[in-house]
Amino acid sequence: NAGVTQTPKFRVLKTGQSMTLLCAQDMNHEYMYWYRQDPGMGLRLIHYSVGEGTTAKGEVPDGYNVSRLKKQNFLLGLESAAPSQTSVYFCASSYGSATYEQYFGPGTRLTVT
Amino acid sequence: GENVEQHPSTLSVQEGDSAVIKCTYSDSASNYFPWYKQELGKRPQLIIDIRSNVGEKKDQRIAVTLNKTAKHFSLHITETQPEDSAVYFCAASIAGGADGLTFGKGTHLIIQP
Repeated sequence: NAGVTQTPKFRVLKTGQSMTLLCAQDMNHEYMYWYRQDPGMGLRLIHYSVGEGTTAKGEVPDGYNVSRLKKQNFLLGLESAAPSQTSVYFCASSYGSATYEQYFGPGTRLTVT
Repeated sequence: GENVEQHPSTLSVQEGDSAVIKCTYSDSASNYFPWYKQELGKRPQLIIDIRSNVGEKKDQRIAVTLNKTAKHFSLHITETQPEDSAVYFCAASIAGGADGLTFGKGTHLIIQP
């Protein structure tokens, strides 16, 4: 099992460009999450999904959109990138129900210039 | 929403000594409290977690205690080793993490040889 994977690992964007980050999991997990990590800020929840076809906003959703068309994939989109979105993005997944542990992907380092 | 405070931000201990990291949370409805370890450039890894119906949990050199009345929980690492050097994050969640985790800002633990 690959666990949770993220594509790409690194990306540099110019202000105003768009991109999509892909998260994939092969553990048949029901729940998936996108977090961002900034220096000294810990991890903050952007959006999450509790099942295929469902999404919900987290703590810092502005400027991002998400989609969960397939159970194993969770996409994070930036429509018009801003320098404030420079961050490391982590995807996580969990089985759901009474199993709480979240498994994290390796992260995507995004720089917006 | 939930707010998690974590202290200290940096902790330096001698190898073999114990380390204690403390967190407080604001929402009395929170029922799941995980601790993650993150090495430089790596993903967060769950090291121990506790649910609100338990006061203490131990796994070898690591233990977590929870005081629901005071709304605080702590991570205890005994007999520290060089490989314990990392950033540690506490987190809290309502609904067992289904709607995501709220993280503290992290503690940089340094083990001095």
